[in-house]
Amino acid sequence: GAVVSQHPSWVICKSGTSVKIECRSLDFQATTMFWYRQFPKQSLMLMATSNEGSKATYEQGVEKDKFLINHASLTLSTLTVTSAHPEDSSFYICSARDNRATYNEQFFGPGTRLTVL
Amino acid sequence: GNSVTQMEGPVTLSEEAFLTINCTYTATGYPSLFWYVQYPGEGLQLLLKATKADDKGSNKGFEATYRKETTSFHLEKGSVQVSDSAVYFCALRRVSGYSTLTFGKGTMLLVSP
Repeated sequence: GAVVSQHPSWVICKSGTSVKIECRSLDFQATTMFWYRQFPKQSLMLMATSNEGSKATYEQGVEKDKFLINHASLTLSTLTVTSAHPEDSSFYICSARDNRATYNEQFFGPGTRLTVL
Repeated sequence: GNSVTQMEGPVTLSEEAFLTINCTYTATGYPSLFWYVQYPGEGLQLLLKATKADDKGSNKGFEATYRKETTSFHLEKGSVQVSDSAVYFCALRRVSGYSTLTFGKGTMLLVSP
């Protein structure tokens, strides 16, 4: 089946620093990838839709200058949390839409736990 | 707009008990419906799906039937195991157009031996 990886799986950083999270589709091409944020005991909140070769589409209320998304190839999207603060601590999950799959099914990565001190 | 409502958890069961997790939805048109499972510390995995009315999705002993008349997609399993302990998310996706997933809030299932 389609596999999506994320790196790192967890990261701890100091307030004010930037953190980059990678999302890769390992065995398929993904024109479209999605970035979600999950707070403890809550649902996934879609942050943005990342399209290969073009600018990401951000959901309402998500700061595009704070959460930089780059989708430079059909297998890689990155999310950079700039000038991170403790309130950015969360579980970030990406998903990738398989170009070949019926109904454009999404496959999810294992998530990245970000802790900002 | 689209929305998904799930029963609040946690749902606490003994091993081999019957499981039902309710899910209802609001959507325009005819969405596809999904159940995802999230084990502790992991991302989401697709558990099952149904793409049209009266379809039954099934996997690993879990099943759910797409009920258009009641706009529901309840998850059931006849005999749960300790290893089924996880958070279960109901979700929908419009078939056409800009088809992102809309998730419910998730229901935690705790199964004790």
